[in-house]
Amino acid sequence: GAGVSQSPRYKVAKRGQDVALRCDPISGHVSLFWYQQALGQGPEFLTYFQNEAQLDKSGLPSDRFFAERPEGSVSTLKIQRTQQEDSAVYLCASSLGLGRGHTDTQYFGPGTRLTVL
Amino acid sequence: EDKVVQSPLSLVVHEGDTVTLNCSYEVTNFRSLLWYKQEKKAPTFLFMLTSSGIEKKSGRLSSILDKKELFSILNITATQTGDSAIYLCAVDAGGTSYGKLTFGQGTILTVHP
Repeated sequence: GAGVSQSPRYKVAKRGQDVALRCDPISGHVSLFWYQQALGQGPEFLTYFQNEAQLDKSGLPSDRFFAERPEGSVSTLKIQRTQQEDSAVYLCASSLGLGRGHTDTQYFGPGTRLTVL
Repeated sequence: EDKVVQSPLSLVVHEGDTVTLNCSYEVTNFRSLLWYKQEKKAPTFLFMLTSSGIEKKSGRLSSILDKKELFSILNITATQTGDSAIYLCAVDAGGTSYGKLTFGQGTILTVHP
């Protein structure tokens, strides 16, 4: 597709429910990132995939958060037993992933706004 | 710990005004600094800066980096209501080969007609 897409755009969950957020990166992009953006804050890194390999999950706030990208394209971020503090916008970004010591521009999706009641 | 600080946090101006947004950083192994514009949808890429003193321009927007003083500015001239958005500054601290970004808090710009 032309850009990064995410679904759903909005999700309301009751505390304790599990949620799954989907990201479709730009076709051919090797690198995929998940960020969490709380209200009034900048995005914060959660996790990174290079193709299907999850190379960095240092930003995941707890073991209730799990991400996968099984075929190296679409990615899913799952949050188990949601808590109110999980309420945020979850942004997905992809980049070419050329690496080699320079920054590849990350292109962002519109985000999923999660509200936990 | 890597840190990116933006100022002001919010700014209200009238159409036609010129604004300057600031971004300072403290990171190890700086590689690049990026500016994004975020409206009620995806943050959209504006500029990537890697070298000091070289201005990047796109229409009414321009940006420059000072690697000695560790800051960048984003200028918008002749502002329009469509410039109203959150402007995010992010730094690739070079700690990874894949370019993990550290973001500032953002500057909320409101342009009144």
